[in-house]
Amino acid sequence: DTAVSQTPKYLVTQMGNDKSIKCEQNLGHDTMYWYKQDSKKFLKIMFSYNNKELIINETVPNRFSPKSPDKAHLNLHINSLELGDSAVYFCASSQARGGETQYFGPGTRLLVL
Amino acid sequence: DQQVKQNSPSLSVQEGRISILNCDYTNSMFDYFLWYKKYPAEGPTFLISISSIKDKNEDGRFTVFLNKSAKHLSLHIVPSQPGDSAVYFCAAFNYGQNFVFGPGTRLSVLP
Repeated sequence: DTAVSQTPKYLVTQMGNDKSIKCEQNLGHDTMYWYKQDSKKFLKIMFSYNNKELIINETVPNRFSPKSPDKAHLNLHINSLELGDSAVYFCASSQARGGETQYFGPGTRLLVL
Repeated sequence: DQQVKQNSPSLSVQEGRISILNCDYTNSMFDYFLWYKKYPAEGPTFLISISSIKDKNEDGRFTVFLNKSAKHLSLHIVPSQPGDSAVYFCAAFNYGQNFVFGPGTRLSVLP
């Protein structure tokens, strides 16, 4: 009965590959997010997605593309992976955008070799 | 340009004593502040929050204090327990805007 789940938990891949990380929430929330936790442990917002409105953080390279097949899912696709993409990626959800507590998934540890 | 700062990367406290984690922010327009706790290999979990119109919120062993004039908030844990050992993130947001997280403080509660 995990509230926010992510797959895979670990992802090791070669530079230049394309990969996807999946996120699902069963909380009935309207808003989902992707965060990146970098090597300095900062949690930085990448995207938020609320009822078909996608808000893109302008610092995120366009190699990163979120896809939301429905309200309960927000997947992250990454093209042409680079070494600097190695990080932990967290998915989160909240009832409304910016007004409620966010519930986080367990994280996906991506290592690009 | 860090809007939310946690200047102590780590803190060690004896079991049973008080743990005080600090957080400073630069944006006076933040509406809401939250503390999250994170264990290794897990996502952050919500701990306690406070609205910008309040100066204190208490939940069991956890109390958050907000000093708006100083743009400072703190999380007090008393008494501290070994299971409290984790990384604590301070976060802030404006309604309708994205969350901004601090870099975290690693708390170690020593038995």
